[in-house]
Amino acid sequence: DSGVTQTPKHLITATGQRVTLRCSPRSGDLSVYWYQQSLDQGLQFLIQYYNGEERAKGNILERFSAQQFPDLHSELNLSSLELGDSALYFCASSAEGQEVNEKLFFGSGTQLSVL
Amino acid sequence: GNSVTQMEGPVTLSEEAFLTINCTYTATGYPSLFWYVQYPGEGLQLLLKATKADDKGSNKGFEATYRKETTSFHLEKGSVQVSDSAVYFCALITSGTYKYIFGTGTRLKVLA
Repeated sequence: DSGVTQTPKHLITATGQRVTLRCSPRSGDLSVYWYQQSLDQGLQFLIQYYNGEERAKGNILERFSAQQFPDLHSELNLSSLELGDSALYFCASSAEGQEVNEKLFFGSGTQLSVL
Repeated sequence: GNSVTQMEGPVTLSEEAFLTINCTYTATGYPSLFWYVQYPGEGLQLLLKATKADDKGSNKGFEATYRKETTSFHLEKGSVQVSDSAVYFCALITSGTYKYIFGTGTRLKVLA
């Protein structure tokens, strides 16, 4: 058990809808990362937050947004969903998010299926 | 920008065979290098890491050496087991970028 909790584990929805994925980081970790894993593109970095502030942005679509709350949990909002958004979405956390020696702790992911 | 290239899978081996999964990288500055493993139905977990040239990371019989001259960090294991069947990801991070960059992953299947 990594200590990172993601909910829900599975989500099935229709095109055009909006969903929210939730992540609780490991106790004491200040940094949260979101990744999208698809069969054809591997693990794509979406966005990172550190102590409530956005720190780094990757290949995140404008239809997607995220935030980190004062209690350090994070939510990833996906709107106007398309079939191609179907993927496994991972959250990871680390203690500080700025040390090159840091390891990431991953949750078990949310499997999103857009029908 | 920074990037990681891994050999395409799947890699299928018999139990006790020797494993090599190739990983090369492109990075500005001096990256730290990592191998993560993803077992079926689980999130990724750190397998090993190396933070400077010529460092060797090792864990659970797996090894990888940070080769700056060839910009490589190949994963090796002398004798694989069925329980090693998983997807292996090579990754890097450079100081100040805050971005962990992952390769596309290599699926390993070990047959009894």
